[in-house]
Amino acid sequence: AAGVIQSPRHLIKEKRETATLKCYPIPRHDTVYWYQQGPGQDPQFLISFYEKMQSDKGSIPDRFSAQQFSDYHSELNMSSLELGDSALYFCASSLGPASGGTYNEQFFGPGTRLTVL
Amino acid sequence: DAKTTQPTSMDCAEGRAANLPCNHSTISGNEYVYWYRQIHSQGPQYIIHGLKNNETNEMASLIITEDRKSSTLILPHATLRDTAVYYCIVRARSTDSWGKLQFGAGTQVVVTP
Repeated sequence: AAGVIQSPRHLIKEKRETATLKCYPIPRHDTVYWYQQGPGQDPQFLISFYEKMQSDKGSIPDRFSAQQFSDYHSELNMSSLELGDSALYFCASSLGPASGGTYNEQFFGPGTRLTVL
Repeated sequence: DAKTTQPTSMDCAEGRAANLPCNHSTISGNEYVYWYRQIHSQGPQYIIHGLKNNETNEMASLIITEDRKSSTLILPHATLRDTAVYYCIVRARSTDSWGKLQFGAGTQVVVTP
């Protein structure tokens, strides 16, 4: 079965650079979530989109922005990178309520490991 | 969403049942109990969820106490591949809250041969 695809899987950047992470949800899934997991920490919610509109927002820095496109893929844009941004970034997808989703089971991708030097 | 409390870690022998407790004493009537797990550095994986009745699927069973203040996830026959961090998450399920999963400090389960 198709899973959530994230690219790139690994990314190395210098401080103050920008990075773009991409997420391709499971076909027919219209809801996308982004999570950040620092070293030794639990995943923390950043932001989510439902039907191309932002649906919820967590502790996402102002330097980060995200959007969901017409084909439902999503991109997380990160600017002025800091050492503390080094983390695993997970994207998850699910069916939204209008698409028949009933219990919000979220399917996670393999993650993008971002290293800021 | 209600706060959950889980033991930091537990060991389990391969082939035995693993019983993972979760306390959610402030759970509201419209909140469900979800369980996810994360195998080292992989994306979290949905296991099971329930409201008040016991639930079972191919991965696990979920036992929720009658007062709903606590629950237990049961892995019936633990294998080495079940070694992971297990997260108990309580959240409402409605069209108004189609959002984040709040991962707290889960339970590190180590299955040993």
